[in-house]
Amino acid sequence: ETGVTQTPRHLVMGMTNKKSLKCEQHLGHNAMYWYKQSAKKPLELMFVYNFKEQTENNSVPSRFSPECPNSSHLFLHLHTLQPEDSALYLCASSQNFGGDTEAFFGQGTRLTVV
Amino acid sequence: GENVEQHPSTLSVQEGDSAVIKCTYSDSASNYFPWYKQELGKRPQLIIDIRSNVGEKKDQRIAVTLNKTAKHFSLHITETQPEDSAVYFCAALNSGGYQKVTFGIGTKLQVIP
Repeated sequence: ETGVTQTPRHLVMGMTNKKSLKCEQHLGHNAMYWYKQSAKKPLELMFVYNFKEQTENNSVPSRFSPECPNSSHLFLHLHTLQPEDSALYLCASSQNFGGDTEAFFGQGTRLTVV
Repeated sequence: GENVEQHPSTLSVQEGDSAVIKCTYSDSASNYFPWYKQELGKRPQLIIDIRSNVGEKKDQRIAVTLNKTAKHFSLHITETQPEDSAVYFCAALNSGGYQKVTFGIGTKLQVIP
């Protein structure tokens, strides 16, 4: 267990559904990330939050909406997704400003859009 | 922003041989270069890292080298074993400020018994 927990582990949703992915870290880190992992792009950065503020949006479609209510929790709200959005979504956390810079990953949510 | 290029994308070696994966980065402010290993069905995990104040670091069969002038760094695995088979990601970031870990595209290493 790396201290980063993602739920659910698997999710199947229709294109008209609304769902949310959750990530929680117990490491005291102040930076959190969402990555998309697919066969085409093995580790694609989506969003970065530093000190609860979004500091990076890597041209992600608006059907993905992140939320970071505090430095320990990160959500990814999903709505009207497309089949090509099916992928493994990985959350990670690390420490800003010269801290322990190792990024710790959660186990991921395997998303299937039908 | 930072751009990290990694090659090769796939690599097959015979058990016992060495494997080398190379990465280049673009941002001269990057000062921390970790390598992650992702086994099939598992999360990426850090295996070794190097900071910009050193040129080489070794941990048993794994070593990493860094050339700051050329902005490239490499992972070397000696005496490869079947359990080394995985996808390896390099990354670069500036650890002194807001962090954005930029990963390479990954190298799928297959060690043939």
